[in-house]
Amino acid sequence: LAKTTQPISMDSYEGQEVNITCSHNNIATNDYITWYQQFPSQGPRFIIQGYKTKVTNEVASLFIPADRKSSTLSLPRVSLSDTAVYYCLVGGYGGSQGNLIFGKGTKLSVKP
Amino acid sequence: DAMVIQNPRYQVTQFGKPVTLSCSQTLNHNVMYWYQQKSSQAPKLLFHYYDKDFNNEADTPDNFQSRRPNTSFCFLDIRSPGLGDAAMYLCATRTGQGNIQYFGAGTRLSVL
Repeated sequence: LAKTTQPISMDSYEGQEVNITCSHNNIATNDYITWYQQFPSQGPRFIIQGYKTKVTNEVASLFIPADRKSSTLSLPRVSLSDTAVYYCLVGGYGGSQGNLIFGKGTKLSVKP
Repeated sequence: DAMVIQNPRYQVTQFGKPVTLSCSQTLNHNVMYWYQQKSSQAPKLLFHYYDKDFNNEADTPDNFQSRRPNTSFCFLDIRSPGLGDAAMYLCATRTGQGNIQYFGAGTRLSVL
């Protein structure tokens, strides 16, 4: 499984766009990039997943360059409720390849 | 509606007294995971079931056991809890063909 590296923490203010970058230099051809959000005292929640280029849903966008060695989670116009830990996971699909490992995550603090 | 349900949300036990945490799912997923998460740390995988096949992580202490009597239920047994086992315990599921995990809200275990 590809190892991921993220900033330990980030600060932002309400209304700003937040971009969290994850490095995964050893990503394999079959690997997908998945991001989770975790609030205190809750289980992680799936946010978004992508393989290449750009993926957007109602919560976030995920930008993946052509070499796929990094990815950026973009949260538009954050609010106080976006304060959470964000995890980047990389891995394949199905069988044992689907057992993704959590790295250290990025603690995002949104201030008023 | 909750799809992965963990009971209880909070559990207090005494040092050395066996305790069982439970997880149920309505998703009919093949794979069920148990994670341990200590304060300000990432979730740490203890073991998982792929259908009835049990997969233990190499560094999971023998003190931790698991049972999966059917598709819907999975239990975490801690045979002799120590103070260091106080943590949030998270259950997650996924399909056998996928890699997106669905988490329960967790059980916070306190050891007195």
